[in-house]
Amino acid sequence: DVKVTQSSRYLVKRTGEKVFLECVQDMDHENMFWYRQDPGLGLRLIYFSYDVKMKEKGDIPEGYSVSREKKERFSLILESASTNQTSMYLCASSSGPAAQYFGPGTRLTVT
Amino acid sequence: QKEVEQNSGPLSVPEGAIASLNCTYSDRGSQSFFWYRQYSGKSPELIMFIYSNGDKEDGRFTAQLNKASQYVSLLIRDSQPSDSATYLCAVSSGGSNYKLTFGKGTLLTVNP
Repeated sequence: DVKVTQSSRYLVKRTGEKVFLECVQDMDHENMFWYRQDPGLGLRLIYFSYDVKMKEKGDIPEGYSVSREKKERFSLILESASTNQTSMYLCASSSGPAAQYFGPGTRLTVT
Repeated sequence: QKEVEQNSGPLSVPEGAIASLNCTYSDRGSQSFFWYRQYSGKSPELIMFIYSNGDKEDGRFTAQLNKASQYVSLLIRDSQPSDSATYLCAVSSGGSNYKLTFGKGTLLTVNP
C-alpha cells in the first residue's frame, strides 16, 4: 500500500512565524503535490514537483515556497504565516499520470 | 481554465438504494478520471479510476465514462450509512497529465 505521511496532524502558529510542513512518501513516486482545502473552495493546488529539486507553481503559490531535496520528501514552507493561511493542508504523491494518494492532512491554525 | 463540475448536494438516499453521483468536465483532452471519497475531517481516499468509455465495476461501485458527453459518474449500489461522505471527481489535465483537476465534491448522506 502507498503510504504518505505528514509531519503534524494539527499545528497552531502565530502570525509572522515561518512554518514548515513536511511530507514523506514510501512508494518511490516521482510526483508530489501540496494542496490546501477550504470549505466551499475545494482542493487548490499550491505547488507540485515532478522530480528532485524540480518544482512548479500551482494555482495559489503566493505566500508559499517548497523544497524537494530527496525523492521521498516534499516540504511546504510558509515564509511568514498569516491568518488567511489557516487551512487544511494536504500532501499527495503519484507515479506518472496515475492516481494521486493523499497523506492524512495537517490542520494549520494561524492566530 | 479547465473545470470539473459536481452538484454539491447534499444527495440523500435511503439505506440499500443506489446512489448516483455525477461529474462533468470541460477539457476534451482529459484522459484519466478518478473518484475519491472524503469523510469529514479526513483526507481524500481513492476509490475508483477509469480511462476508457463505458463502465467499470469494483464491488458495489461502478464508474461510468462518456467522453463524447464529457461526463463521468459513480454509482454506489446497496448504499450503506458508512458511505456517507463527500465524493470528489478528479480529471487528469491533458498535456501535463500528472496534475489533477478536482471538482468541489458532492456530499452524500445515506439514511438508515
